[in-house]
Amino acid sequence: EDQVTQSPEALRLQEGESSSLNCSYTVSGLRGLFWYRQDPGKGPEFLFTLYSAGEEKEKERLKATLTKKESFLHITAPKPEDSATYLCAVASLGNQFYFGTGTSLTVIP
Amino acid sequence: GAGVSQSPSNKVTEKGKDVELRCDPISGHTALYWYRQSLGQGLEFLIYFQGNSAPDKSGLPSDRFSAERTGGSVSTLTIQRTQQEDSAVYLCASSPDRSRSYNEQFFGPGTRLTVL
Repeated sequence: EDQVTQSPEALRLQEGESSSLNCSYTVSGLRGLFWYRQDPGKGPEFLFTLYSAGEEKEKERLKATLTKKESFLHITAPKPEDSATYLCAVASLGNQFYFGTGTSLTVIP
Repeated sequence: GAGVSQSPSNKVTEKGKDVELRCDPISGHTALYWYRQSLGQGLEFLIYFQGNSAPDKSGLPSDRFSAERTGGSVSTLTIQRTQQEDSAVYLCASSPDRSRSYNEQFFGPGTRLTVL
């Protein structure tokens, strides 16, 4: 069964305390893995697309990596404005998108 | 440029009434998706339109839900005889998907539906 699991559900960090969010997936053929950021009351905002194992993408304090079973979103020296829910999604060969339930990140000043 | 827009932003209705939710995708995007997001839940896929192809309706939870896309642009999601369990945020996304490979989706702000 195709599914996406994100961990942890919630994460509290001190400002400047680096950490990683995990997205593990089982899918019948991966066509792409996507990371989104969602602020309260808003739609998800696209961050990264990864297509193959070993691929990495970076944007400011965020870096996404991909293996054959999981993806990590590394947050380096986070700031309070990085507080949000981070969503992972995969696109399968069956032309379906599957979203995880997200990790709620809180960065404390 | 303009992003995906949705209207209304909030909708409160009574159980049993019909509602229509509107989505204006990014100009030129051929793919359009509808999702439902309930509190504490992941995004639930509802329906997918790609160009002039028949839509993928596999995610629609019941026959009370329907959607159409006119002229390959604006889409309307209709929920008939609303139930309290239909209360959720309904999100629309569009994508420049001109082939069988996948591109990222760009989301609108959502419509928060409350069924009393």
